[in-house]
Amino acid sequence: ETGVTQSPTHLIKTRGQQVTLRCSSQSGHNTVSWYQQALGQGPQFIFQYYREEENGRGNFPPRFSGLQFPNYSSELNVNALELDDSALYLCASSLGGTAINQPQHFGDGTRLSIL
Amino acid sequence: AQTVTQSQPEMSVQEAETVTLSCTYDTSENNYYLFWYKQPPSRQMILVIRQEAYKQQNATENRFSVNFQKAAKSFSLKISDSQLGDTAMYFCAFMTLNYGGATNKLIFGTGTLLAVQP
Repeated sequence: ETGVTQSPTHLIKTRGQQVTLRCSSQSGHNTVSWYQQALGQGPQFIFQYYREEENGRGNFPPRFSGLQFPNYSSELNVNALELDDSALYLCASSLGGTAINQPQHFGDGTRLSIL
Repeated sequence: AQTVTQSQPEMSVQEAETVTLSCTYDTSENNYYLFWYKQPPSRQMILVIRQEAYKQQNATENRFSVNFQKAAKSFSLKISDSQLGDTAMYFCAFMTLNYGGATNKLIFGTGTLLAVQP
């Protein structure tokens, strides 16, 4: 069984730029959640996608957006990057819908640094 | 709103000893899950153990067990026979039990950094 994979591993951008982070979900999973983990903090929920539709959003501005594709892989897009966007971005996949007792499986994350 | 609090930023334990990590949470929900995740320096968040709130019996997974006190909203993790590979950041997390495809998001505490000493 293939686990959750994220790309790239590291990324350096400057303020004002745009970035796209990618996530391939674990085989058989139809739900992807994205989290932002600032240094020394616990992960914060950004949003969740279930069967290609946004299925809940945390307290993040609209410049954080996402997509989920028919194969259930996902992208996180961030526009107009700010210094505070520097963080580890984690993707987690799970089997959603009525299978609500399935745990979320995480990828290794993308470390985004804003200069 | 749900919150998760971990009051121990750092802990240290000798190899083969037992250590307990604390977690408290706040919620008005009655049906939910609680989790402990481990994040080693490799960054991947690994599920250690989970507890369904409707189950009175405490969950156990090999050397890992929890003490779930629902009335006190407390969820501590006990690691027995600590090993060097247990060195990691440990996060307590909460998830409301939602049906019908509603959002199942994890709410994390700030973590406890556990160092296992040889």
